[in-house]
Amino acid sequence: SSELTQDPTVSVALGQTVKITCQGDSLRTYYASWYQQRPRQAPTLVFYGKINRPSGIPDRFSGSNSGSTASLTITGTQAEDEADYYCQSRDISGNHLIFGGGTKLTVL
Amino acid sequence: VQLQESGPGPVKPSGTLSLNCAVSGDSIDNRYWWTWVRQSPGKGLEWIGEIYHDGTTNYNPALKTRVTISVDKSKNQFSLKLSSVTAADTAVFYCARRGSNGVSSGGGYYYYYYMDVWGKGTTVTVSS
Repeated sequence: SSELTQDPTVSVALGQTVKITCQGDSLRTYYASWYQQRPRQAPTLVFYGKINRPSGIPDRFSGSNSGSTASLTITGTQAEDEADYYCQSRDISGNHLIFGGGTKLTVL
Repeated sequence: VQLQESGPGPVKPSGTLSLNCAVSGDSIDNRYWWTWVRQSPGKGLEWIGEIYHDGTTNYNPALKTRVTISVDKSKNQFSLKLSSVTAADTAVFYCARRGSNGVSSGGGYYYYYYMDVWGKGTTVTVSS
């Protein structure tokens, strides 16, 4: 089965741009979706597919896909963006979904 | 659209965990799939499985032998049963609505799958 690999931790200075990456063979076939999870809260979808941002998500969140890598970029990072971020795709060997291990974003 | 998990509380080892997810603001007969995800303490998200309104299911291969997901269209809800539980099954369980779509890009066609509505989650503890 497929796996999605994320850096466990990433830090960014307030107001700067940060890219969170996700690698896996399934991303050559399926676009990723991205979720933000603040402490003690349910995950929230922040970006999915090629260009889709759910209603209510700030436009500083954007996504991209290239080969086996998907990226979530936050431009002008705010303090409230400090959270865990998970990528998700579909396994190429079966009808099931998979998550990356998550990236803890710290805003300095 | 809102999803609300509910369950009976703690479960004893070797027992069966049972949870319901009530859907409001949308019909479970709609074009979406209905999904369960869990998160063990201090760990990441783990996809458990999903069901379509016609009863078609997909399960995580690692849990497939212990998981059953069912749908009750009359109550607009779906359910999760996880059997033979151990302490390792202690987690926050979320239900979510799952959609899919596709897009042409660079000469290819790419599908994507996303969970756009989540319940608040319910904690299930496996303990004797």
